[in-house]
Amino acid sequence: LAKTTQPISMDSYEGQEVNITCSHNNIATNDYITWYQQFPSQGPRFIIQGYKTKVTNEVASLFIPADRKSSTLSLPRVSLSDTAVYYCPPPDNFNKFYFGSGTKLNVKP
Amino acid sequence: DTEVTQTPKHLVMGMTNKKSLKCEQHMGHRAMYWYKQKAKKPPELMFVYSYEKLSINESVPSRFSPECPNSSLLNLHLHALQPEDSALYLCASSQAEGSSREQYFGPGTRLTVT
Repeated sequence: LAKTTQPISMDSYEGQEVNITCSHNNIATNDYITWYQQFPSQGPRFIIQGYKTKVTNEVASLFIPADRKSSTLSLPRVSLSDTAVYYCPPPDNFNKFYFGSGTKLNVKP
Repeated sequence: DTEVTQTPKHLVMGMTNKKSLKCEQHMGHRAMYWYKQKAKKPPELMFVYSYEKLSINESVPSRFSPECPNSSLLNLHLHALQPEDSALYLCASSQAEGSSREQYFGPGTRLTVT
């Protein structure tokens, strides 16, 4: 089962850019890298996905180096409402997703 | 429509009760999942259905019984649960194959076993 490694927690202040890195050494050649956001007592929400280089949407940017052994989720100008847990679970060929501990982002005023 | 719905939102049941959780999606996804999440922990995979067939059972006790009546519906039947089974139960769906299998989650059912 493929697994990923992320920092357990991060602190930031409103208005700052936040970068959360995930390492996934066992990622399969064809698999995409996907990030989710979860607020307390809610289901995780898909926020961004990419295969390589850079992807940007209205919520975040995702940077993936050429070796694809890591990825960085970038949240521009965070607000208090971005306080959440962020996950980068790797899929495997059997649709078995391991969420890992995630990164708890705490945005302070 | 990227919505996964779950009912009920909250459920309180005794250890001798039988109840069911329901999940529905209309995105044409052929993989559906049940997860269990305890407070301050990540979601733990319980079951995976692929093309309406059970493909993964993560050694879940038999007091949890999943069912996939059709490609849009997923049920979780509960019987003789223990207080430690109290948790948030999450349903999700995704493409069953292909490289970009992002999952879409429902809001969850908060289960309390008394």
